[in-house]
This record gives sequence, C-alpha cells and structure tokens, in this order.
Amino acid sequence: DQQVKQNSPSLSVQEGRISILNCDYTNSMFDYFLWYKKYPAEGPTFLISISSIKDKNEDGRFTVFLNKSAKHLSLHIVPSQPGDSAVYFCAALKGGSYIPTFGRGTSLIVHP
Amino acid sequence: GAVVSQHPSRVICKSGTSVKIECRSLDFQATTMFWYRQFPKQSLMLMATSNEGSKATYEQGVEKDKFLINHASLTLSTLTVTSAHPEDSSFYICSASLWQVNSYEQYFGPGTRLTVT
Repeated sequence: DQQVKQNSPSLSVQEGRISILNCDYTNSMFDYFLWYKKYPAEGPTFLISISSIKDKNEDGRFTVFLNKSAKHLSLHIVPSQPGDSAVYFCAALKGGSYIPTFGRGTSLIVHP
Repeated sequence: GAVVSQHPSRVICKSGTSVKIECRSLDFQATTMFWYRQFPKQSLMLMATSNEGSKATYEQGVEKDKFLINHASLTLSTLTVTSAHPEDSSFYICSASLWQVNSYEQYFGPGTRLTVT
C-alpha cells in the first residue's frame, strides 16, 4: 500500500515554463515533507522541505505547496531549465520518525 | 548542504564472495543512517535503518544475515553483502539524517553500483 504517491511517472515541459510535480499521501500522521532530485547512477539530492505548519516554502526557483486537507503537495520549478531534467522524489515523515516514506518518483524532462 | 560519501562507487565481485560498502557523513554527525537499494526504473527501496552504537532495523523481506550493517561511529556506516549472488547486483545508496532547528534533512551518498558475476 503506497502511502506516498506520485501518480505521474513522467512530465515533459518546455524550457522557461513552469514544471509542477505532484505528490499525494494517505497517512494523516505525516507532518514533514521533502523533495529530492535524482540523476541516473547518482544518489538523490535534497531540494526543499516543508513542515505541516506551513503551506508554502520557497527557495530560489523551487517552491513547495502543501494542502493538508487534500493531503497533497506539489513542487513548482520556475523557470524550468534543461538541467532540471531528472527524477524527482517526494518523501514524507511522521512526527518523531527518522524514516521517510518515498514516492515512486516522477521523471521530468525539460526540452529546449 | 551536508556531504555524504560512499566507497567504492563501483564494484564487481564473484558470486559467493562478500563486499563491503562504506558510507561516511563528511561534515556532520549522523545519528541515523539509511541504506537503500534501487532497481532499474524503480523507486528507492529502504533496506535498513541504523543508529550509531545499536543494531540496525531491517525492513520486511531484507535478510539481516545477508546484508550486514555496522554503524560504529556517528560518521561511518558499512553495508556488507555476504555470499553475493547475481541477483544482489544493484545500485546501493546510503543516506544520513540531520535534524536542525525546525528542520529535518536527509543527505544521500552518490551510490555504489554492485555487479555480481
């Protein structure tokens, strides 16, 4: 049973446009969320996180939005660049836990 | 951000031998380290969680006698694949967690490609 779901396995976006990556979760105990970027044959790189006490966190071109009532979060990348092409993983943590639950990832392709 | 290293980055071994993979947090002390395995085109599969000075907690379906984990210090965890078989060939990734004021971050190593022949 997938507690963290990334329903879009892939997304294609034109350079300069906005990329929106979505993530849904089912466990209401999750209170901390993270996004990672992963290139092939490399470890994931931490991008941005958000606590459940917030509904938005911004860091440069990356913004994460959290809708607790819908159990949904999204990562916005603006403007998208070809170097953003990678697999993006959403992860969630329960309060007091050190073990994040990962989604299956969404492959983002940014084309010129 | 913090840095986690893994060594080796790539290893080829013969079936039946054992292989050790090291994971180090280079600029912070990690109370908790994680070992993941990634199959082609699949998500990260958590294998085990290790806390410094205590036994690792293995996920269901992961053989603890086959995948030995040692977390001897706050900056080093090792994964030993014992009596390796070709089906153990995979990409193994470690990570270390860091709690800071009002935030949690988890940093990943670059991964180790294991090929068992």
